[in-house]
Amino acid sequence: QVQLQESGPGLVKPSQTLSLTCTVSGGSISRGDYFWSWIRQHPGKDLEWIGYIHYSGSAYYKSSLKSRLTISLDTSKNQFSLNLSSVTAADTAVYYCARGTPSPYGADWGWFDPWGQGTLVTVSS
Amino acid sequence: QSVLTQPPSVSGAPGQRVTISCTGSGSNIGAGYHVHWYQQLPGTAPKLLIYGNNNRPSGVPDRFSGSKSGTSASLAITGLQAEDEADYYCQSYDTTLSGWVFGGGTKLTVL
Repeated sequence: QVQLQESGPGLVKPSQTLSLTCTVSGGSISRGDYFWSWIRQHPGKDLEWIGYIHYSGSAYYKSSLKSRLTISLDTSKNQFSLNLSSVTAADTAVYYCARGTPSPYGADWGWFDPWGQGTLVTVSS
Repeated sequence: QSVLTQPPSVSGAPGQRVTISCTGSGSNIGAGYHVHWYQQLPGTAPKLLIYGNNNRPSGVPDRFSGSKSGTSASLAITGLQAEDEADYYCQSYDTTLSGWVFGGGTKLTVL
């Protein structure tokens, strides 16, 4: 079955760029109508959807993060990546990558399954 | 403050039935968007428990069920077991925010 695995630095300095990669195994990132997503969980345990990319290359971001966020796709490596610039302590969280599945009604009615194991990113000098 | 409101905690004895509520508004659950539920065991990633309001993925016991009415949804767990002790999250879509939203999570304690 499809599995996802996040990788990247666990510590990022304030004002720098947070970069993470999600490697997908057990299935092609280019098949199906999935939306490959990033979700983060803050220390207080709140979950926050960040954004997604479709295999066509189109990306969609949470509006409050749009100016700092880029999600990209590398189909040759079966990976997708997140870059979040100008980070602050508020960006400290466990970052998960997840496969979004659209319902027959459309993507907006969709859910996330499976999820990667998550990676903790701390923003600190 | 989460867009979807869940009780911070619920508890029940083994074998009992518990429910977890998820209250939204007219821009998310009330707008007809589906509600999905996730179980997060300590130290692990969330796992899909219920999708499309009331559907269970393969492998999820039928002790877990979901329902939706108006601007709210509920997750019911019957025959409570010690292994059910976890955090539970609801998720939907919000048209005002133009994105997917989660509840604040509910910690289930099995007494």
